[in-house]
Amino acid sequence: GAVVSQHPSWVICKSGTSVKIECRSLDFQATTMFWYRQFPKQSLMLMATSNEGSKATYEQGVEKDKFLINHASLTLSTLTVTSAHPEDSSFYICSAPTGTGVYGYTFGSGTRLTVV
Amino acid sequence: DAKTTQPTSMDCAEGRAANLPCNHSTISGNEYVYWYRQIHSQGPQYIIHGLKNNETNEMASLIITEDRKSSTLILPHATLRDTAVYYCIVRDSGNTPLVFGKGTRLSVIA
Repeated sequence: GAVVSQHPSWVICKSGTSVKIECRSLDFQATTMFWYRQFPKQSLMLMATSNEGSKATYEQGVEKDKFLINHASLTLSTLTVTSAHPEDSSFYICSAPTGTGVYGYTFGSGTRLTVV
Repeated sequence: DAKTTQPTSMDCAEGRAANLPCNHSTISGNEYVYWYRQIHSQGPQYIIHGLKNNETNEMASLIITEDRKSSTLILPHATLRDTAVYYCIVRDSGNTPLVFGKGTRLSVIA
């Protein structure tokens, strides 16, 4: 089936640095990618929607200058957390429609970000 | 906001059937019922979906009431590896993002 490969699985970074998370669709073209954030013991919260070749759409309360999303090709979308702070520590997950209509979406395996 | 209501948690004995309920009383005619699960520290995994008929696949069965206001996900023979948070989501067939509620934390006990 359709697979979204997400890297890295986990990352620890110092406060003030930037971290890039990549999601690649391995056997299908992802014209759209959804980015979620999940804090401990909470549900997934949609952060933004990216479409290949256009600017991302951010949910209310998500800082677009802090969470930079690039979707330059049909198989790669990236999320860069800029000037990370401890409160950005979270589990970040990407998801893409598999292009098979009602058959739902495929999720990446997630990235655990810890900012120290 | 999520359009579904699920119990916060459930326990199930290993080998027994796990029945997870979901209320979606405001579901509209073109919306499907989807079930996903999330094992700890992993991305969500698709389980099954349906519109109005009952559905079965290799993982589970989905029973949707005739008025479509509620549904039940059935794992026929739960194993320890089925311990996860199960999310019931309603959505139409377009490429809109999935909206997750709080889900049900299923614990399968040996």
